[in-house]
Amino acid sequence: QLQLQESGPGLVKPSETLSLTCTVSGGSISISNYYWDWIRQPPGKGLEWIGSIYYSGTAYYSPSLKSRVTISIDTSKNQFSLKLSSVTAADAAVYYCARHGGAALGRAFEIWGQGTLVTVSS
Amino acid sequence: QSALTQPPSASGSPGQSVTISCTGTSSDVGAYNYVSWYQQHPGKAPKVMIYEVSKRPSGVPDRFSGSKSGSTASLTVSGLQAEDEADYYCSSYVVSDYYVFGTGTKVTVL
Repeated sequence: QLQLQESGPGLVKPSETLSLTCTVSGGSISISNYYWDWIRQPPGKGLEWIGSIYYSGTAYYSPSLKSRVTISIDTSKNQFSLKLSSVTAADAAVYYCARHGGAALGRAFEIWGQGTLVTVSS
Repeated sequence: QSALTQPPSASGSPGQSVTISCTGTSSDVGAYNYVSWYQQHPGKAPKVMIYEVSKRPSGVPDRFSGSKSGSTASLTVSGLQAEDEADYYCSSYVVSDYYVFGTGTKVTVL
């Protein structure tokens, strides 16, 4: 059974870079027709899609975050990562990693990690 | 890209039905049949309940159904049960390869 697990610092200082990793277990990250996502949820607020990456390394980003986001993938470690630069208090959120199928598979976020809370404070 | 619009809240008594709307634009909900719905209980990760407008993943009760008309999608929960009390979010694929979520709806079982 495929599982996703987020890891990384729970506290980031303003203006610094947030870095998180998602480890995929129970299956390969190098599978065609599936994409690996980062999604966040500020406390008490709604979900926001940050971006996704294919095992080939092609990445897609939310237009509103594109200038600050980098998503990368390490197929040898079965992991993908998120970097968000110049963080502010508005970036404080629970960050989820997830997987979605491509066009032929419905494009739904079918598997989610448990989420990790990131606080932005000096 | 703005979030899809959902009503903040909806409610119903056990056994009744509740319908949640999700309004987008011609660039997202109106352009594709890639609308999905997620259920989120407090402190938990979201769970997909509907994908491609009206398809149910294995294991999701048939009390959950989805539909779409133009740029508005809808989720209906029939025969409400206590465990259906949760937040619900819609999501849509958007032109140019990205995704947008709805504002979220809190469903209360009275």
